[in-house]
Amino acid sequence: RKEVEQDPGPFNVPEGATVAFNCTYSNSASQSFFWYRQDCRKEPKLLMSVYSSGNEDGRFTAQLNRASQYISLLIRDSKLSDSATYLCVVSSGGSYIPTFGRGTSLIVHP
Amino acid sequence: GAGVSQSPRYKVAKRGQDVALRCDPISGHVSLFWYQQALGQGPEFLTYFQNEAQLDKSGLPSDRFFAERPEGSVSTLKIQRTQQEDSAVYLCASSLLTGTPLGETQYFGPGTRLLVL
Repeated sequence: RKEVEQDPGPFNVPEGATVAFNCTYSNSASQSFFWYRQDCRKEPKLLMSVYSSGNEDGRFTAQLNRASQYISLLIRDSKLSDSATYLCVVSSGGSYIPTFGRGTSLIVHP
Repeated sequence: GAGVSQSPRYKVAKRGQDVALRCDPISGHVSLFWYQQALGQGPEFLTYFQNEAQLDKSGLPSDRFFAERPEGSVSTLKIQRTQQEDSAVYLCASSLLTGTPLGETQYFGPGTRLLVL
């Protein structure tokens, strides 16, 4: 079992839709959680950190569920420009090595 | 430029050839990471530097892979006797502070796309 697992998708949604991705992690000692966005043939860029209390940035909401060991990303009112791969990243306590999921592909169509 | 730069952006190598990939991190960034990203996969950790010290090289796939950061800024990833399975995008990332358990935002370079024929 991989340390960080994501549904690769693709998630194909119309503009304006709400879409949610989940990411599960296996190491219960994990302490840091992030969502990165990667456009086709580009480098990953930080989208948002995920805090224990959950956090929101505009149309994006991230949640952490420690009991079930998953994090989620909710995108409301999807835009065409949201089309990308969303990478879940987890760092375990005591380790500086971030572990990336394989990414979830989102395609927003008109 | 203010971001992380990598060179070359594209490299085609014949099997058995040695290659060297360069990373210029953001000035002043202490931490530097190298990742390998295969098509359709997330980045896989290769190695980590804190200034000039290579603190972790557990992700390097074989002894054909070698990385250095002699002056704590520019880093080079060298692959000897390249094999077809080395074909991937090699990403470099830097962060301002040390890689603590709390995590630190990483800034990625554009990557070097390596194709071994």
